[in-house]
Amino acid sequence: GDSVTQMEGPVTLSEEAFLTINCTYTATGYPSLFWYVQYPGEGLQLLLKATKADDKGSNKGFEATYRKETTSFHLEKGSVQVSDSAVYFCALRVYNFNKFYFGSGTKLNVKP
Amino acid sequence: NAGVTQTPKFQVLKTGQSMTLQCAQDMNHNSMYWYRQDPGMGLRLIYYSASEGTTDKGEVPNGYNVSRLNKREFSLRLESAAPSQTSVYFCASSERDRGRTNEKLFFGSGTQLSVL
Repeated sequence: GDSVTQMEGPVTLSEEAFLTINCTYTATGYPSLFWYVQYPGEGLQLLLKATKADDKGSNKGFEATYRKETTSFHLEKGSVQVSDSAVYFCALRVYNFNKFYFGSGTKLNVKP
Repeated sequence: NAGVTQTPKFQVLKTGQSMTLQCAQDMNHNSMYWYRQDPGMGLRLIYYSASEGTTDKGEVPNGYNVSRLNKREFSLRLESAAPSQTSVYFCASSERDRGRTNEKLFFGSGTQLSVL
């Protein structure tokens, strides 16, 4: 079946540190891949997406590259800020199916 | 720009009580979803509705029922609440699948439900 696995948290970093959150997926078709972010007390919002192999999604300094050969979509940011503290979810959607599958979420804490 | 609106934001129930979570979207989306969020388990799909008049089970449908009242509204009902249903519930919507360009889920702000 379709599923997403992401690294467990929490991840605690100092401001300006480099961030990587790992995400791997299993899909029966050709998925689109997403990263969503959830700030405290809010719903999830789309951070970035990629729809085909080798695509790179980017937004707000975050990047992720769709790697079909390793079935991965790791989230990276070169220099995190305190305001990036949130829970990050990796997700996939298989084309022609109206279902989105989410990973378990990774909480990021950034300290000043 | 209301987006996806969920009510209530907080609710406490006793075991065996029933309640309905309401969700409405004003973006003319065809597809709507109900998820629950539990610590360490991320979001799990309860039910979804690909279009008005249709509903389908997701990963964890037991103990829940849904109604797609019209294109705007998608409600989730707990007929006899159990402590295992203590969770945060999110409603979401998305556009009709016309390709990958517009794939995106829009989420409400959530309902925190406690069943004692």
